[in-house]
Amino acid sequence: GQQLNQSPQSMFIQEGEDVSMNCTSSSIFNTWLWYKQDPGEGPVLLIALYKAGELTSNGRLTAQFGITRKDSFLNISASIPSDVGIYFCAGQRRGGADGLTFGKGTHLIIQP
Amino acid sequence: DTGVSQNPRHKITKRGQNVTFRCDPISEHNRLYWYRQTLGQGPEFLTYFQNEAQLEKSRLLSDRFSAERPKGSFSTLEIQRTEQGDSAMYLCAITEGVNTEAFFGQGTRLTVV
Repeated sequence: GQQLNQSPQSMFIQEGEDVSMNCTSSSIFNTWLWYKQDPGEGPVLLIALYKAGELTSNGRLTAQFGITRKDSFLNISASIPSDVGIYFCAGQRRGGADGLTFGKGTHLIIQP
Repeated sequence: DTGVSQNPRHKITKRGQNVTFRCDPISEHNRLYWYRQTLGQGPEFLTYFQNEAQLEKSRLLSDRFSAERPKGSFSTLEIQRTEQGDSAMYLCAITEGVNTEAFFGQGTRLTVV
C-alpha cells in the first residue's frame, strides 16, 4: 500500500543534540500526525496538526503542517535517552474512512 | 494508557490454522480501525468500523480475513488458513468523535510457523 516518504531512515546522535525529521507526500492530507513507537508496542501519539501552516509544540517536540498540505516536519530539541525509538508520520484524508497513511519511520538512536 | 486493550499480545500458530484477535476500547468510540504492521514498515490500514458497521476495507484484507464489531464496542479480527506472510503486528486504533487523532492499542504480534 501507499506510504509516505519519511526521512531520514535512521539517525545516530549524541544526547543533548537537536533532531529534525520530515515527511513528504505526492497527495494532499487534511491532518498530519506524528507517533513514536517502542519495540513490541503500539504507536503513541505525539502531536496532531489540523491546518496548513500550523506550528504546534508539545514540550521539547515541535511539528509543522506544510503550507502545500503535502509535507510535515518534526523537531526534537535537547534529546534525552528516552527519546530513542521509531518515529512515524501519518496523514489523514478528509472523512477518515480510509484510515491513516504512514511513513516507514525514522529510527532515532542516541549514542552515549 | 491509550484506552485500547488488545488480546492476545503474542500469538504463534502453525500455517493453515485459524486465529482470532480481540480489541477492547475502554470507553465507547464510534470509530474503530484495524492496521497491520510488518517489520521495518509503518502500519497499513486494513478496515474501518463506524459503530457496528464495517464501512471500509483495504485491498490488503483478503477473503481469509474477517472483522466484526457486533455491538459497536469491542471488535475481533479473524484470519483463516494462516500463511507465513500473515506474520505481522496487528494494531487496533480508535478515534474520539469527529477528531482524527487515532489512539492505538499495544498490538497483537502474530507469528506463523
